[in-house]
Amino acid sequence: TQLLEQSPQFLSIQEGENLTVYCNSSSVFSSLQWYRQEPGEGPVLLVTVVTGGEVKKLKRLTFQFGDARKDSSLHITAAQPGDTGLYLCAANSGGSNYKLTFGKGTLLTVNP
Amino acid sequence: GAVVSQHPSWVICKSGTSVKIECRSLDFQATTMFWYRQFPKQSLMLMATSNEGSKATYEQGVEKDKFLINHASLTLSTLTVTSAHPEDSSFYICSPKTGWRMNTEAFFGQGTRLTVV
Repeated sequence: TQLLEQSPQFLSIQEGENLTVYCNSSSVFSSLQWYRQEPGEGPVLLVTVVTGGEVKKLKRLTFQFGDARKDSSLHITAAQPGDTGLYLCAANSGGSNYKLTFGKGTLLTVNP
Repeated sequence: GAVVSQHPSWVICKSGTSVKIECRSLDFQATTMFWYRQFPKQSLMLMATSNEGSKATYEQGVEKDKFLINHASLTLSTLTVTSAHPEDSSFYICSPKTGWRMNTEAFFGQGTRLTVV
């Protein structure tokens, strides 16, 4: 099983602050995904990164895939209360079913 | 994106009873369904993988006789928690396999909050 280490596990910040969430592994991935989950709902895909060194931007969110494709980061600029949620990195763990392995998640709370 | 309907969204049951959770793919045929369990403030943990017309594959540590999975059709998979106990209280989420590439987006049901009292 390919282990995804995600940090920090909990993060509480004030509106307007910046933050970075990290997802690390000793394994190399062909791709890595970031999901956001709100309470009582299923996760929703934010982005998929595929190429080593790739940087993708989604409004105030910036995603980066490490050069060696073993790690990724999510940076949020000027966080807003609406960004509150559980952020999960996920990678395909191989096999014919292409099942996802999730990191432990980062629970972000943005206080107004 | 794929539309996945999970029912019920929440259920409270007495200890010792069984609860059935349904997961329907509304706009495509799901040959494979992933069932996850999520405890409060924690990540999703894969419980089992079901394939239409065959037996489900369970992850290590998950009791197959306690968590019965049926995937009798391409649009419906069910998870039955048998003889539920308070420690089974959790958020259960289904996710159908929607593609055959490793970076295919995953879609999830709305989840079922199970509380066993």
